[in-house]
This record gives sequence, C-alpha cells and structure tokens, in this order.
Amino acid sequence: ETGVTQSPTHLIKTRGQQVTLRCSSQSGHNTVSWYQQALGQGPQFIFQYYREEENGRGNFPPRFSGLQFPNYSSELNVNALELDDSALYLCASSLDRGAYEQYFGPGTRLTVT
Amino acid sequence: SQKIEQNSEALNIQEGKTATLTCNYTNYSPAYLQWYRQDPGRGPVFLLLIRENEKEKRKERLKVTFDTTLKQSLFHITASQPADSATYLCALVNTGGFKTIFGAGTRLFVKA
Repeated sequence: ETGVTQSPTHLIKTRGQQVTLRCSSQSGHNTVSWYQQALGQGPQFIFQYYREEENGRGNFPPRFSGLQFPNYSSELNVNALELDDSALYLCASSLDRGAYEQYFGPGTRLTVT
Repeated sequence: SQKIEQNSEALNIQEGKTATLTCNYTNYSPAYLQWYRQDPGRGPVFLLLIRENEKEKRKERLKVTFDTTLKQSLFHITASQPADSATYLCALVNTGGFKTIFGAGTRLFVKA
C-alpha cells in the first residue's frame, strides 16, 4: 500500500452537478498528478500540481480544475458533470516535479447518471 | 497524435514460464518509459523505469528493454507465478516529468 489516500471511495452524481475529489499525498511528496481511467483503458493525464501551482495539463476542458494546498494535499473539481465523466479518478504523488516514480492512491469511482 | 499500443488481448501462460509484454509508441520522444501493475479496482503500482539512453533494466524477476529506434519496450517476467496475474501498463514520460501517457494495458493470467 502506498501512503496516498483518496476520498470518497465511491460517488454518484447527476448530470450537470459539480463534484470535488480529494487526495492526500505521500509524506514528503510535493507533486500530485490527477488521472481519469475509463473502464478497460489506461489512466489519462488530467493535470499536475507542484508546490501549489499547476505544472502541466492534459486534454481536458476547463470544467476540470484543481488545487494543491500548502500541505501538498490536492483537490480535483469537475463542474457541469456529463455522463462521460463516469470513471475511476486516480491521484498520484511523487517526490518532486522531476521525479518520475509515481505512487497512486486507490482511486475514487465516480458515476454520473 | 501520440499513441501507445499494448496487446489488447489477454496473455495466458503457464506458471514457471516467462511472460513477455510489448509496448509500442508513435509520435513521441519520451525521456522515460515506465511499467506499472494494476489489480482490479486498485491504483497502478510502479514497477520499473528505464531512461531513453538505457537499453535494459532488471529488478528481481522483471526485465525491461527500451529500443528508441523501434519505439518499443518489452517487459519480461521470468519464472512467472499465479500472483503475477494482473494488468500491466506501459507509460511514457516527457522531459520534465509533468505529463505521463499510459497505454491501455495488457491483462496477464498465469495458470498454476
């Protein structure tokens, strides 16, 4: 088990609603990345935060936004939920921006109805 | 566009044999290539990282090769065990390490 935790474990939302997912990074890690994983697919990079600043972004619309806090925990916010947003959302922490070994949390399963 | 291809069909092998998984990529020049293991309903677990200037990396029963000319990586598990049954993901990392692109993964089944 890694030291990365995510909450909640499961979530059901209705189309059009907003959701906030949370991630606590492993102790000593200052970088957090968020991924979306659809069933049967690999994780897709959403964005990365390094020391409270966004450090890179994948091909996701602006309604996907994030935050990183001084303790390096992080939030992923998704506005105006669509059915296609149903997926497993994973966060991964790493020791530093340039450290490539990522430690993943167990994920949050989001279902949009 | 950038693309990573892994065998979509599951790989079934007998215990004790060597499992070989393939990862091919196009339109990308990664600084690093990684392999992860993922069990159902869980997050991926980091296994190995290989840099663009390295040809081969080993860790216990695992071996990874990286051919930047062929744009291919091979992942080997020797003396495979039923506990090795999982999905294995290949991932490419750009210089700076802020963006990681994952393949869809290959499901491995090791039969006792």
